[in-house]
Amino acid sequence: GENVEQHPSTLSVQEGDSAVIKCTYSDSASNYFPWYKQELGKRPQLIIDIRSNVGEKKDQRIAVTLNKTAKHFSLHITETQPEDSAVYFCAATTSGSARQLTFGSGTQLTVLP
Amino acid sequence: DAGVIQSPRHEVTEMGQEVTLRCKPISGHNSLFWYRQTMMRGLELLIYFNNNVPIDDSGMPEDRFSAKMPNASFSTLKIQPSEPRDSAVYFCASSRQGVGNEQFFGPGTRLTVL
Repeated sequence: GENVEQHPSTLSVQEGDSAVIKCTYSDSASNYFPWYKQELGKRPQLIIDIRSNVGEKKDQRIAVTLNKTAKHFSLHITETQPEDSAVYFCAATTSGSARQLTFGSGTQLTVLP
Repeated sequence: DAGVIQSPRHEVTEMGQEVTLRCKPISGHNSLFWYRQTMMRGLELLIYFNNNVPIDDSGMPEDRFSAKMPNASFSTLKIQPSEPRDSAVYFCASSRQGVGNEQFFGPGTRLTVL
């Protein structure tokens, strides 16, 4: 089955700086890669996603890049703000009939004011 | 739309008791997922349904866990008997069937087994 590894597990940045979270996946047939943000005590919520036919996608301060050859994808947050502090999860969709998401282990991002 | 609804939001029970968690997916969504979240193991998929049919239950930890989806608007996750190591937050999520459709998570049920 699919295996998703996520790094780093914790990340602290100064307000205004950029943050980068990286994930690798094992199943070369995976074709959909969402990122979820989970604030303390809340549910995970989708913030951005990318399909395997695209190399990069951007939404305001958030961008995701995908390298299919290397089987890794990354989340980039620019001009970080304190409200960006949360746990971020990457995920990959398995191929075949199953189609469920396999999540990474999460990154605790702390934006220091 | 009210989003995915889960009940109860918090459950405290004693070891050996039966626990039933409930989920109402978003209307029109035909895929439903049950996840368990702990500090040690992160976010784990337990089971998921397409059109009320269980597709993959390989994540269900053991026979003490069972899940049903009797109709398109209701699902249950049952633990019998419960054990302290079952303590976790259990999330239900729903989506339209197919790759690339966003999974919407419910607020979760925080289960504590004493």
